[in-house]
Amino acid sequence: GAVVSQHPSRVICKSGTSVKIECRSLDFQATTMFWYRQFPKQSLMLMATSNEGSKATYEQGVEKDKFLINHASLTLSTLTVTSAHPEDSSFYICSARDGRRQNTIYFGEGSWLTVV
Amino acid sequence: AQSVTQLGSHVSVSEGALVLLRCNYSSSVPPYLFWYVQYPNQGLQLLLKYTSAATLVKGINGFEAEFKKSETSFHLTKPSAHMSDAAEYFCAVTSYGQNFVFGPGTRLSVLP
Repeated sequence: GAVVSQHPSRVICKSGTSVKIECRSLDFQATTMFWYRQFPKQSLMLMATSNEGSKATYEQGVEKDKFLINHASLTLSTLTVTSAHPEDSSFYICSARDGRRQNTIYFGEGSWLTVV
Repeated sequence: AQSVTQLGSHVSVSEGALVLLRCNYSSSVPPYLFWYVQYPNQGLQLLLKYTSAATLVKGINGFEAEFKKSETSFHLTKPSAHMSDAAEYFCAVTSYGQNFVFGPGTRLSVLP
């Protein structure tokens, strides 16, 4: 079964509103979580890396004020897309690194965001 | 810095034929290598991973991959393609404490 739960799997929101996506590690403590975005027919693009209790590290070109990432606990990270715009419509996916086994990464099932 | 290349953005095979998806990596430290599959409108699913143990790694759905350090490769194979194997396949590399780096992906089509 899934060890990383991502919710919601699909969401539609209106332009200008904010939407939150949750990423939970179900049976391990995730010291590090990663957020990716996938554009159609392209590979995953790392948006940011978050460590529990500290600020996320954003990749170049990713607007930190638009994509708010919070990693408040060892099992939960959230991505909030603020003032959503149709160009933000995409597939967002999180992954979590098992703190006990540094070489193990688990992915969530992803979230399809459509901004109308 | 680490990087991954996947030769062939689109590969077509006939049902029952051998599947070979290529992955080459670049890493200055011992890598951990992964193959993921993504079916349409779904998230990523781990097929298999290499983490410095056996160089020939067997995964789910009959897939396997061999780590060849001398060739910096981690090609994915399956002896006999099935229609249900049609999907997007991503190779990825990481190392201890590092981010994941994904390849551009290879779309596999299986022809009847």
